[in-house]
Amino acid sequence: DSGVTQTPKHLITATGQRVTLRCSPRSGDLSVYWYQQSLDQGLQFLIQYYNGEERAKGNILERFSAQQFPDLHSELNLSSLELGDSALYFCASSVEQGTYEQYFGPGTRLTVT
Amino acid sequence: SQQGEEDPQALSIQEGENATMNCSYKTSINNLQWYRQNSGRGLVHLILIRSNEREKHSGRLRVTLDTSKKSSSLLITASRAADTASYFCATGMDSSYKLIFGSGTRLLVRP
Repeated sequence: DSGVTQTPKHLITATGQRVTLRCSPRSGDLSVYWYQQSLDQGLQFLIQYYNGEERAKGNILERFSAQQFPDLHSELNLSSLELGDSALYFCASSVEQGTYEQYFGPGTRLTVT
Repeated sequence: SQQGEEDPQALSIQEGENATMNCSYKTSINNLQWYRQNSGRGLVHLILIRSNEREKHSGRLRVTLDTSKKSSSLLITASRAADTASYFCATGMDSSYKLIFGSGTRLLVRP
C-alpha cells in the first residue's frame, strides 16, 4: 500500500459526460501528479501540483482540468468525454517537487461508452 | 514522444534465471528511476539512480547507468514468479519537474 488513495476505482460513463477523479496523497507529500495510461499511448504525464499550485503540464487536453485543494487532495476533471478517453488514470505523490521517487495510487479505470 | 524506450518489449524466463531489461533515453537527465507495475495496478517505485552514479543495488536488483550512451539497465537476479510484471524506466530532467516514462518491458517468470 503506497498510502495514496484514489476514488472511484471504476467509472463507466457515456460520451459527452463529465467526471471527477479524486486523489489523496501520502501524508506529508506536497506534490501530486496525474497520469493517463492507455494501451496505445502508454503512461502519459498530465499535470503536477505542488502545495496547491500548478507546476508542470504535460499532454493534458483542454477538456481536462485539475486542482489541488488546501488539504492537498487533488481532483482531475474530465469533460466532454470521448471514447478515446477510456484509460487508467493514476495519481502519484512525492514529498517535494522535482524528480523524486513518486508513490502511485491504485488508479481509476475510466470506461467511456 | 517517450523519453525512455525499454528493450525488450517482452521477456519470458524460467524461475531462478536472471532478467535484464534495458532503457535508452534521448536528453540529459538528473536521475533515472525504475518502476514495477502488476497488471492493471499502480506503479511501485523500485530504485532511483542519479546522473553521477554508475551502479546501484537494492536487494536482488542491480541498476546501471551510462550517461555517455544514454542508457540504463535493470538486472533482477534469481527471479521469482512474483516478479512477473511490467517494468518501466522513468527519466527526470533538471529543467522539468515531471518524470517521463518509457513504454515498459513485460516480464513473465515461469514457475
